[in-house]
Amino acid sequence: EDQVTQSPEALRLQEGESSSLNCSYTVSGLRGLFWYRQDPGKGPEFLFTLYSAGEEKEKERLKATLTKKESFLHITAPKPEDSATYLCAVQAGSSASKIIFGSGTRLSIRP
Amino acid sequence: EAGVAQSPRYKIIEKRQSVAFWCNPISGHATLYWYQQILGQGPKLLIQFQNNGVVDDSQLPKDRFSAERLKGVDSTLKIQPAKLEDSAVYLCASSLFDPRSDTQYFGPGTRLTVL
Repeated sequence: EDQVTQSPEALRLQEGESSSLNCSYTVSGLRGLFWYRQDPGKGPEFLFTLYSAGEEKEKERLKATLTKKESFLHITAPKPEDSATYLCAVQAGSSASKIIFGSGTRLSIRP
Repeated sequence: EAGVAQSPRYKIIEKRQSVAFWCNPISGHATLYWYQQILGQGPKLLIQFQNNGVVDDSQLPKDRFSAERLKGVDSTLKIQPAKLEDSAVYLCASSLFDPRSDTQYFGPGTRLTVL
């Protein structure tokens, strides 16, 4: 059964304290892995799509990496405005396959 | 470029009542999705449309939920009758058809409270 697990569930960091969020997945034939940011009361905001192991993408203080079993979202020198829930999702199998989301990591950055 | 639009933003109803949500996707996006997001969880796909047709509705509780996408653009999701456990945020998303994978863009959601 296709599965996506995110850890930790919640993470509190001091401003400037770098860390990583984990997304481990079990799917047959990965087509794409997605990272989204979700602020309270809003819909998820697209960050990255990764397609194959070894791929990396960066945006400001965020960097996403992908291996055959997991993805990491690295946050470098975070600021309070980076506080949000970060969601990971995978799409596997055929072109009509659904996308499965993890439960997210709630990130809080203290000034 | 305008994003995905949803209405209403909030809805409070009593159990056994009916409710409908509306979604207008990004212009040119052929694929439209409805998700249910319960507090503290990730979104769960309810139904996926490709133009007018249904691609996946395997997790849609068909005894009470229905959805349609007329003319391949706007979509409505209906719940009749509502149960307490339907309290959640209902998210609409759309994507361009891409043979690699489907990057989805989400609307702001409709927060439903069933009393």
